[in-house]
Amino acid sequence: DTAVSQTPKYLVTQMGNDKSIKCEQNLGHDTMYWYKQDSKKFLKIMFSYNNKELIINETVPNRFSPKSPDKAHLNLHINSLELGDSAVYFCASSQDLKGSGGYTFGSGTRLTVV
Amino acid sequence: DAKTTQPNSMESNEEEPVHLPCNHSTISGTDYIHWYRQLPSQGPEYVIHGLTSNVNNRMASLAIAEDRKSSTLILHRATLRDAAVYYCILRPPAGAGSYQLTFGKGTKLSVIP
Repeated sequence: DTAVSQTPKYLVTQMGNDKSIKCEQNLGHDTMYWYKQDSKKFLKIMFSYNNKELIINETVPNRFSPKSPDKAHLNLHINSLELGDSAVYFCASSQDLKGSGGYTFGSGTRLTVV
Repeated sequence: DAKTTQPNSMESNEEEPVHLPCNHSTISGTDYIHWYRQLPSQGPEYVIHGLTSNVNNRMASLAIAEDRKSSTLILHRATLRDAAVYYCILRPPAGAGSYQLTFGKGTKLSVIP
């Protein structure tokens, strides 16, 4: 079983559309994250959630709205997609807010906005 | 946050040892040194971490300088599957408050057959 799974793996969409990326972890972790990796390969944290509660929002535009229905899921909804949103988005989880035991990452969702 | 400095890229021949350096001269006394790697088209994966003593696991070894201002990730026999970007990251100790894993540029390791 995949520890952190993201869907879809690839997403191609037009500017202005609204899309969602789903993430699920079966590790029993309390904390989940969304990272963005741009074309220059820099990995930047976007959000972190702990037990369904938003902890970190790293100056991400309001068009990005994470939702955590339970602690095993953290979905990312993006409104009014822009060309600059094209990137690979990684979901991750850790045991707790302190990152104990390290982070486990999903395999990423490659979003292309045309 | 304390910063780390790594070479942009390194090359190694297959089946030879690889030593990946990391400088962290502003490390605090309680920061842990973590290493992650990102294989092509995959998410980052945890490799190893340490505080003061050298550490070994099935993936790699971590050698930490006595003054803790630098560390070296050692892959004992590089394989083609080890070609990846390796990130050296400092992590504060467990305690009050939250922590976020912050990635730098890392070292891109190429393995030559």
